[in-house]
Amino acid sequence: AQSVTQLDSQVPVFEEAPVELRCNYSSSVSVYLFWYVQYPNQGLQLLLKYLSGSTLVESINGFEAEFNKSQTSFHLRKPSVHISDTAEYFCAVSGRGSTLGRLYFGRGTQLTVWP
Amino acid sequence: ETGVTQTPRHLVMGMTNKKSLKCEQHLGHNAMYWYKQSAKKPLELMFVYSLEERVENNSVPSRFSPECPNSSHLFLHLHTLQPEDSALYLCASSQGGSPNTGELFFGEGSRLTVL
Repeated sequence: AQSVTQLDSQVPVFEEAPVELRCNYSSSVSVYLFWYVQYPNQGLQLLLKYLSGSTLVESINGFEAEFNKSQTSFHLRKPSVHISDTAEYFCAVSGRGSTLGRLYFGRGTQLTVWP
Repeated sequence: ETGVTQTPRHLVMGMTNKKSLKCEQHLGHNAMYWYKQSAKKPLELMFVYSLEERVENNSVPSRFSPECPNSSHLFLHLHTLQPEDSALYLCASSQGGSPNTGELFFGEGSRLTVL
């Protein structure tokens, strides 16, 4: 089985500051990794994913995450945040080889961007 | 049509009521899921349906009864709920089979309040 730990439940930052949201996972098998974002009163939307290949993956709105196998981490970063980035962010892991999308989620990190 | 649609978006019910949540996906996927999202807790996977067969039931109380009449529709029938069942219920779908990346597509959720 897999599990995910998001070390920070809340991250407040000022607009245009850099941010890092931390995610560590544990798994006995190779994994796929995801970051989902949830805006208020909405469902979860996929932000970015690591399936294979380059360990650095990027989203269309400036976020990036790096898969670090030795540290079992998949931290999410953005060099300059906007107020519109305020949302809850969930890290998730899925074991390779499964024929079904069984995702294990972390508890989430609330990112609040202040003007 | 958006990918995964949930109705109603908000539901208030008494403990003796019977109600149902509906989910419809327009993505051609063959697997559907119900998740429960409560404050300060990780997302809890409740049920998984693959090709209209229930393949996972994570110790969910019998007052929650899922139904999957076809690969596009998923229901969650609610009966004699408790106040602690108040939560956001999220439906998701995925393309099962091999290879499977584990990526889920979520609806916007149904916010349930039990009085």
